[in-house]
Amino acid sequence: NAGVTQTPKFQVLKTGQSMTLQCAQDMNHNSMYWYRQDPGMGLRLIYYSASEGTTDKGEVPNGYNVSRLNKREFSLRLESAAPSQTSVYFCASSHKGDQGSIKTQYFGPGTRLLVL
Amino acid sequence: AQSVTQLDSHVSVSEGTPVLLRCNYSSSYSPSLFWYVQHPNKGLQLLLKYTSAATLVKGINGFEAEFKKSETSFHLTKPSAHMSDAAEYFCVVSDQNTGRRALTFGSGTRLQVQP
Repeated sequence: NAGVTQTPKFQVLKTGQSMTLQCAQDMNHNSMYWYRQDPGMGLRLIYYSASEGTTDKGEVPNGYNVSRLNKREFSLRLESAAPSQTSVYFCASSHKGDQGSIKTQYFGPGTRLLVL
Repeated sequence: AQSVTQLDSHVSVSEGTPVLLRCNYSSSYSPSLFWYVQHPNKGLQLLLKYTSAATLVKGINGFEAEFKKSETSFHLTKPSAHMSDAAEYFCVVSDQNTGRRALTFGSGTRLQVQP
C-alpha cells in the first residue's frame, strides 16, 4: 500500500497563475481532507470530503476549490494564486466514523508551494 | 469550539534524558486527542491517540501520554530520548460532537535532542 500520495512535491507559481494539487489514497477511506501548514500555526483545514460526492469548507477555504473525483482522489485547486498561499499543503484520509467516533487520519508527504 | 495549546514551542533535551511535551486542550464535549510527529521534510505520523478508553495511552517508539480531564491536559512523555526523536510534535484535538470529524492542531513543539 502506498497510503496517501500527493503530487507535485514542490511547485513555484507566479501571482495569478492557477494550479491543481493532486491527492490519492489506496486505503479505501471514505473521508479526505486538505490542510495547509504555516510556521507557528500548526495545520489548518482548508476543505474536507466526508464521503464521495460531498465536500465542505474548513477553517480557511478562501481562494481554493476542491473536487472529490472518486473515492480515491481529492484535488485542491488554486484558481489565481497569491503570495499568501505560499505554504505546505497536506492531504489526509480516514475511515468515516459514526457520529461520536473519530477515526485516525493518515497524511501524505506534502506539497511545498511557493507563490512569487 | 475546540482548541489546543502547546505550551512550549521548543524543547531541548540531552540524549538519554526524559522528554516532556506539554499540551492543554479545550473542548465542549468528550474529545479525542492525538499526538502526531513530523520529521524534517516529511509528512505527519500518528504517535498515539486517546478516545475515552484508558487514560494512559501508549504509542509508538516508547512515547506515552496521559489524559487528565481535571487539568484538561494531554502531555506527551518518553523516559529516555533518542537522537532520532528530534522532530516537530503536534497535539491535536477532535471534538466528537462537531460532526465534521476535522482535527484542530496545536502550533507544534520542536524537540531537539543533544548528544
